[in-house]
Amino acid sequence: EAQVTQNPRYLITVTGKKLTVTCSQNMNHEYMSWYRQDPGLGLRQIYYSMNVEVTDKGDVPEGYKVSRKEKRNFPLILESPSPNQTSLYFCASSLSWGLNYGYTFGSGTRLTVV
Amino acid sequence: KQEVTQIPAALSVPEGENLVLNCSFTDSAIYNLQWFRQDPGKGLTSLLLIQSSQREQTSGRLNASLDKSSGRSTLYIAASQPGDSATYLCAVPGSNSGYALNFGKGTSLLVTP
Repeated sequence: EAQVTQNPRYLITVTGKKLTVTCSQNMNHEYMSWYRQDPGLGLRQIYYSMNVEVTDKGDVPEGYKVSRKEKRNFPLILESPSPNQTSLYFCASSLSWGLNYGYTFGSGTRLTVV
Repeated sequence: KQEVTQIPAALSVPEGENLVLNCSFTDSAIYNLQWFRQDPGKGLTSLLLIQSSQREQTSGRLNASLDKSSGRSTLYIAASQPGDSATYLCAVPGSNSGYALNFGKGTSLLVTP
């Protein structure tokens, strides 16, 4: 089944403890991206990757890192999580950016930082 | 920057009614428009993708239209069911707004038995 898989689905952590949220897609998609969703603010892009060679910041990149060492994986890294990073996170992928292809989203990761 | 607006923000209808959700965007230079469904606390499920060259797409009881020139899309749901209760989001990737999907805030739909 074609899908984007995120892990974990739920995570409660303490301030400052480094964590990684994994994202993997099995559709050979070039483009991948991370979003966070907050009440009243909607979905906002954190980082995106056009392919394994190009990664860049989205609208709200502060406090996050990403890597794209291979096409299928795009982990989101929080080096020192803070309570304002408590949110619902989504990974998305598409065959390519800018063409007539849709976007597939993962099931989400609900992160709570205390 | 692309601004996407969805009206109404919330809608409650009795089962069986036909309904229309609206999505408007400020920059008509879009590649496509995608409608998603989101159940509370869950992921986004793609419903329909309309290419920039298309006027509408249909899937079962759902029909989405696109008018690029006026910056509008509508999602029509026929014969609504309680299982349709969810938040509906529209999203556009724009050629003038970076490499992000621009989302509306969504329409929260409740279909009562």
